[in-house]
Amino acid sequence: QQQVKQSPQSLIVQKGGISIINCAYENTAFDYFPWYQQFPGKGPALLIAIRPDVSEKKEGRFTISFNKSAKQFSLHIMDSQPGDSATYFCAAINAGGTSYGKLTFGQGTILTVHP
Amino acid sequence: DVKVTQSSRYLVKRTGEKVFLECVQDMDHENMFWYRQDPGLGLRLIYFSYDVKMKEKGDIPEGYSVSREKKERFSLILESASTNQTSMYLCASSRLDRGYEQYFGPGTRLTVT
Repeated sequence: QQQVKQSPQSLIVQKGGISIINCAYENTAFDYFPWYQQFPGKGPALLIAIRPDVSEKKEGRFTISFNKSAKQFSLHIMDSQPGDSATYFCAAINAGGTSYGKLTFGQGTILTVHP
Repeated sequence: DVKVTQSSRYLVKRTGEKVFLECVQDMDHENMFWYRQDPGLGLRLIYFSYDVKMKEKGDIPEGYSVSREKKERFSLILESASTNQTSMYLCASSRLDRGYEQYFGPGTRLTVT
């Protein structure tokens, strides 16, 4: 059972545009929501993360928006650049539980930013 | 610079062979994980370990086993490889108290023919 649903599967954006990736979760025990970025030939790397007690977190051009009541969160990439072309994964974890760090990942979004 | 290394980048094996994938981390992390990555399915957890000799099943453990004899090393074993195990395999590690921050290796592309 997929507990984190991510959309779209692929996204093409022009340079300077806004990229938006959406995720929805089911398990209300999740209490931390990271995003990972994966470049071709590399493993994923942590990009940005948010707790559900805040509605928005911004780091540079990357912003996470969180809607706890709707159980949805999204990644916005402002002023998208060709160097942002990568696969993005949302994830969720019950960080305060006994899951020993077990992340549940979304299906991934392949982002292509055209020059 | 933190590092997770995997023994092979590319591996080709025949159906029925026993396959070992090795992962080593140099960050003294308690947690280690094995995932497989398939297009459209994201990252799916096979097994994880939070301590030496401890292991827990993930979401798709069937057909796999693991071994963790030393803190820095976590091995994934395919007892009898099958074609449906052709995939990208990723190893990761994290601190016990920062499970959301996982450090990944570059992956092993395994092809079973």
